[in-house]
Amino acid sequence: EIVMTQSPATLSVSPGERATLSCRASQSVYINLAWYQQKPGQAPRLLIYGASTRATGIPARFSGSGSGTEFTLTINSLQSEDFAVYYCQQYNNWPQGYTFGQGTKLEIK
Amino acid sequence: EVQLVESGGVVIQPGGSLRLSCAASGFTFDDYAMHWVRQVPGKRLEWVSLIGWDGFSTYYADSVKGRFTISRDNSKNSLYLQMNSLRGEDTALYYCAKAHEPRDGFNAFDSWGQGSLVTVSS
Repeated sequence: EIVMTQSPATLSVSPGERATLSCRASQSVYINLAWYQQKPGQAPRLLIYGASTRATGIPARFSGSGSGTEFTLTINSLQSEDFAVYYCQQYNNWPQGYTFGQGTKLEIK
Repeated sequence: EVQLVESGGVVIQPGGSLRLSCAASGFTFDDYAMHWVRQVPGKRLEWVSLIGWDGFSTYYADSVKGRFTISRDNSKNSLYLQMNSLRGEDTALYYCAKAHEPRDGFNAFDSWGQGSLVTVSS
């Protein structure tokens, strides 16, 4: 099974600043990597797929990068609605599984 | 607008059986593979199962293989998860989710329901 590890566990950033979240895969997943946002009491929302393609309706301040085993989600000019938990997910190692990272909680500083 | 609505979650004793349902609307259901994903509140997401758009291909996480069965009825735009031999560790919020690309289950999940809570406890 491919293990996805996110860092940091919690990130404190002020509104208007930039947040950088990291995700590492235990083996290459090429660009078969997605990022999701989850707010309390809500279902996850797809932000990025293919490591760097924004999903429909996702603001341009969200960007993804990386390939292989190292990935980054960058959120520029943080808005109040961006404070949430973010998960990365690999979908390369199918059908063995679509493993998720443990999440990074982005909180207001 | 895509809508996915799960139902069927209850409190059930260990060893019991349960069927979850997911009603889909707002897209051509039989063009898309569908997934079940679960989450213990406050914990990471765990993929459970995938079914192809035509219902013939099914895949399961090792943790549920042999106990859970995924199915779909394209005439009813509905997805199901039959859960047998339930254990305490199956306690979670169960989401149904839609594959991003048509006729390809091996990609991201672009729409999710709000979840149905299954609690396995004596």
